[in-house]
Formats: sequence, structure tokens, C-alpha cells
Amino acid sequence: EVQLQQSGAELGKPGTSVKLSCKVSGYNIRNTYMHWVNQRPGKGLEWIGRIDPANGNTIYAEKFKSKATLTADTSSNTAYMQLSQLKSDDTAIYFCAMESTTWFAYWGQGTLVTVSS
Amino acid sequence: DIQMTQSPSVLSASVGDRVTLNCKASQNINKYLNWYQQKLGEAPKLLIYNTNNLQTGIPSRFSGSGSGTDYTLTISSLQPEDVATYFCFQHNSWPLTFGSGTKLEIK
Repeated sequence: EVQLQQSGAELGKPGTSVKLSCKVSGYNIRNTYMHWVNQRPGKGLEWIGRIDPANGNTIYAEKFKSKATLTADTSSNTAYMQLSQLKSDDTAIYFCAMESTTWFAYWGQGTLVTVSS
Repeated sequence: DIQMTQSPSVLSASVGDRVTLNCKASQNINKYLNWYQQKLGEAPKLLIYNTNNLQTGIPSRFSGSGSGTDYTLTISSLQPEDVATYFCFQHNSWPLTFGSGTKLEIK
């Protein structure tokens, strides 16, 4: 059974960075792509970007190019997303999702990032 | 970027009703359209992929249709457990984009 387990809630101060993790079990991430999506409080879903864990290649939505950095560690089967220069409007739930032939059948449970001084 | 517009934003219906949710893309997305259901406090759940393919384990009362720029999700007989927000999602071109959601309520 494929499962995506995300790291716990983060509280970050404005101007700092946080790094979220998404550990996959039941599937080798070398054979897929890992995506990140956010959801601001009471709002819809927003695609952030994708990483190919096999070679580190990434694609980002334009607005996240200087905000998010996607990496992956195939030895631990884990994807990561670092958010830099945190601002209050980065407060959101961040989901990882695994690409498949059906697209995003598998999601992590989400990580709440709260930006506050 | 492809804009995905969902309507209505809120839909209230009775148990047993047939309900239709709409999603319009700003350009042709070649049927690369998925539907997700999100219940409060949970991650989204895939219902339909590539316009009309029912994801494994999803009840057959859910169905999808459409082409070009216009797509629909239909629930043939609304059940209490269908209360959720429904998002459409296009994976035809980068950046991938979601609709803003339809919140489905029970009257």
C-alpha cells in the first residue's frame, strides 16, 4: 500500500525558512514524480511544483520559483520542500502528492505552516 | 496559465438529488481533467481522472464528462457523506492548475 507521511506542523518567523518532508512507503520514488500543493486558510488548492527524484529535475509555478526549493533523497524515499523568506501569506497547509498514470491518487496528510512573529 | 472556473461556488441539494458541478477551462485541455473531493481537515481524494474515468474504490454514483473547455462532475443520487468541496484540476499543460472549488451542502 502506498503511503505518504508528511512532517509535523511548523511555526516560522517572518524572513526565516522551513523545510518540510514527505516520506513515501510502498513505492520507489525513483519511478515517479513528486508534487507539492498548498492551500491557504479557507481557500483552494495551488500547485507549487514537481521534482523528478531520479535526477533532481524540477518544474515550478512562476510565483513559487523564488519561494520553494524541491529536493528528494532516494536513499530514504523522501521528498522535501524548503520555503524561504517566510511571509504571513505563506501560512497554509502544504501537501505532497505522488504522480501516477491517474495523477495525484496519493497524497500526504498535509503540513500546516504558520508564519508569525 | 490555464484558468479553471468552477460553478456554482456553493451548491445546496437534498439527499437523493442528482447534482451537477461545472468546470470551465480558459483553453482546450484535451480531456486532461481530474476531479477531487476534499472533506474538512482532509487531503483531497481523487474521484475522476481524464474526464470520465472513475478512480478505483469510488462509488458509481460519481461520473464525469466533457471535452474541450467544458467539464462536469455528476452525482446521480446525493448521499450525506458527499458533503465536501470539489475541485477540478487540469494536467494538460504547465503550470498545473486547480479550480476554486464547489462547496456541496445538504439541504
